[in-house]
Amino acid sequence: AQSVSQHNHHVILSEAASLELGCNYSYGGTVNLFWYVQYPGQHLQLLLKYFSGDPLVKGIKGFEAEFIKSKFSFNLRKPSVQWSDTAEYFCAVLTGANNLFFGTGTRLTVIP
Amino acid sequence: DAGVIQSPRHEVTEMGQEVTLRCKPISGHDYLFWYRQTMMRGLELLIYFNNNVPIDDSGMPEDRFSAKMPNASFSTLKIQPSEPRDSAVYFCASSLRRTGGNEQFFGPGTRLTVL
Repeated sequence: AQSVSQHNHHVILSEAASLELGCNYSYGGTVNLFWYVQYPGQHLQLLLKYFSGDPLVKGIKGFEAEFIKSKFSFNLRKPSVQWSDTAEYFCAVLTGANNLFFGTGTRLTVIP
Repeated sequence: DAGVIQSPRHEVTEMGQEVTLRCKPISGHDYLFWYRQTMMRGLELLIYFNNNVPIDDSGMPEDRFSAKMPNASFSTLKIQPSEPRDSAVYFCASSLRRTGGNEQFFGPGTRLTVL
């Protein structure tokens, strides 16, 4: 069965620290990959997406992610986090059947 | 476009009552999805429609849950009778299938509390 694993449940960082959130998926076919962010009390918003081409994808607010096909990974990175990045981050995989599978989410707390 | 619209934003009801959640997808989108988010189980896909037809309802927890999409601009998720364990945030999302991939746009969610 398809699954998406996010290794970190809760990450706490100080402002200006670098961020990397892990995401691994299990699906053998062609996938589209997404990172969504959910700010406190708000709905899911798309941070970035990978469909094809350059495996290094740049999104909004300075976030980027790298698709490594051999590792089935799509880790999210930001070189310097801000307090306003405090949110929950969800990795998601869209299969060819148009099913979107979400990871369990990683809560990021940035301390000023 | 106003994005995906959901109503109500908050719903508090008593156990045993019927609850109806509403969703208006983005105009022109041909897919509509209903998700449930809880602390314990995260985001779960309940059901999705393509061109108003239910495609996969395997995520619907039990017969108390039903969803309809009478036309391209409206969908409902109904729980009858509701139970406290149904308390969650319910998200609706829509997308447009395109060659090369697509993304889902989420509504603001309905926070349901069943007492």
